Amino acid sequence: QKEVEQDPGPLSVPEGAIVSLNCTYSNSAFQYFMWYRQYSRKGPELLMYTYSSGNKEDGRFTAQVDKSSKYISLFIRDSQPSDSATYLCAMRRGGFKTIFGAGTRLFVKA
Amino acid sequence: DGGITQSPKYLFRKEGQNVTLSCEQNLNHDAMYWYRQDPGQGLRLIYYSQIVNDFQKGDIAEGYSVSREKKESFPLTVTSAQKNPTAFYLCASSSAGGSSGANVLTFGAGSRLTVL
Repeated sequence: QKEVEQDPGPLSVPEGAIVSLNCTYSNSAFQYFMWYRQYSRKGPELLMYTYSSGNKEDGRFTAQVDKSSKYISLFIRDSQPSDSATYLCAMRRGGFKTIFGAGTRLFVKA
Repeated sequence: DGGITQSPKYLFRKEGQNVTLSCEQNLNHDAMYWYRQDPGQGLRLIYYSQIVNDFQKGDIAEGYSVSREKKESFPLTVTSAQKNPTAFYLCASSSAGGSSGANVLTFGAGSRLTVL
């Protein structure tokens, strides 16, 4: 069993839709939770960072962490074609090792 | 602007050859990392370095080697011992290590290696 599970998709939505991306994990020691966005043939870029449980909002993006369920989510409101990318969840206990999900490919149709 | 520069962007290798991927950062970050990305598998850690002249194996270090002679540079050599080297390689760095803060990774644009 992988430490971090993420549905690879692809997920296709119309422009303006609310997108929900999710990851589950097995290690309760994870404390730091991140979402990265990766455009084709590019390096990942940090979208959201959350420490421990709770919600964090940044513009059209909201990250949620539910440590009791070992479940994290990223919501994108009013999705745009420019949001089409692969979204990677990532998490850390502490220390140097970050564990990544497989990534979900998102397509937003104009 | 500060960032991470990886070169070359595309590289072709014949079987049996060693190749070296370059990674340079001007972010003044202490820690640097190499990840490998394959379709459907996410990012897997190859090696990381917390400080100059020190580095540790990640999850898939076999067939790879690194050096960290300067804070700014962390080259990765893909040796002929790596049985399936065709992949997208990503270099990253972070400002804080251990248990402090976020230790959030900043990535380069990647290098795509293809074995012919």
